[in-house]
Amino acid sequence: EPEVTQTPSHQVTQMGQEVILRCVPISNHLYFYWYRQILGQKVEFLVSFYNNEISEKSEIFDDQFSVERPDGSNFTLKIRSTKLEDSAMYFCASSRIAGLWLTDTQYFGPGTRLTVL
Amino acid sequence: KQEVTQIPAALSVPEGENLVLNCSFTDSAIYNLQWFRQDPGKGLTSLLLIQSSQREQTSGRLNASLDKSSGRSTLYIAASQPGDSATYLCAVTPRGGSEKLVFGKGTKLTVNP
Repeated sequence: EPEVTQTPSHQVTQMGQEVILRCVPISNHLYFYWYRQILGQKVEFLVSFYNNEISEKSEIFDDQFSVERPDGSNFTLKIRSTKLEDSAMYFCASSRIAGLWLTDTQYFGPGTRLTVL
Repeated sequence: KQEVTQIPAALSVPEGENLVLNCSFTDSAIYNLQWFRQDPGKGLTSLLLIQSSQREQTSGRLNASLDKSSGRSTLYIAASQPGDSATYLCAVTPRGGSEKLVFGKGTKLTVNP
């Protein structure tokens, strides 16, 4: 069964460093998302991406964050200058259909645990 | 702003018991509601998706209902098993052109053998 994959599973970085989290969505999906979950807290939406552009972003997704689909399979989240409070589990998700009139199941990857020291 | 609440935060039951997990949301303008399962340190596994026009969905021992007007959903688990132990998350997709999911904090379920 197709699944969303993410690499690495765990990333440790120093404060101020740049990190890139990678995701391979399910191949026939068109909508891509990043969420994060700080330990003990709710899963929070960061950004959604469709047709090679951001369709929505949350207040968390400031200028330090960027997303890219560099080729036909990968979807990346870049954090330019990490802060201690960026430590969290980051989840990538994808879906076939989303929008005004019909929405579909979002399938989540296993996550990347980011630790900022 | 849409808020999702799940009660109880934790639940411990003996194996074989039928149980109900509750989810409430503040704004009834939603496209759909999803129930997920999250195992410790792992990703989210989608269990059921209920479109806003639907009242319930069933998958095996799981049944989810949706009462949009009252802002409530329940997840019913029949004949619980130790393997059902996990955190169950409820999430809604708000209307308004957004695809994002708004999550509750989850109910941590422990099924004791």
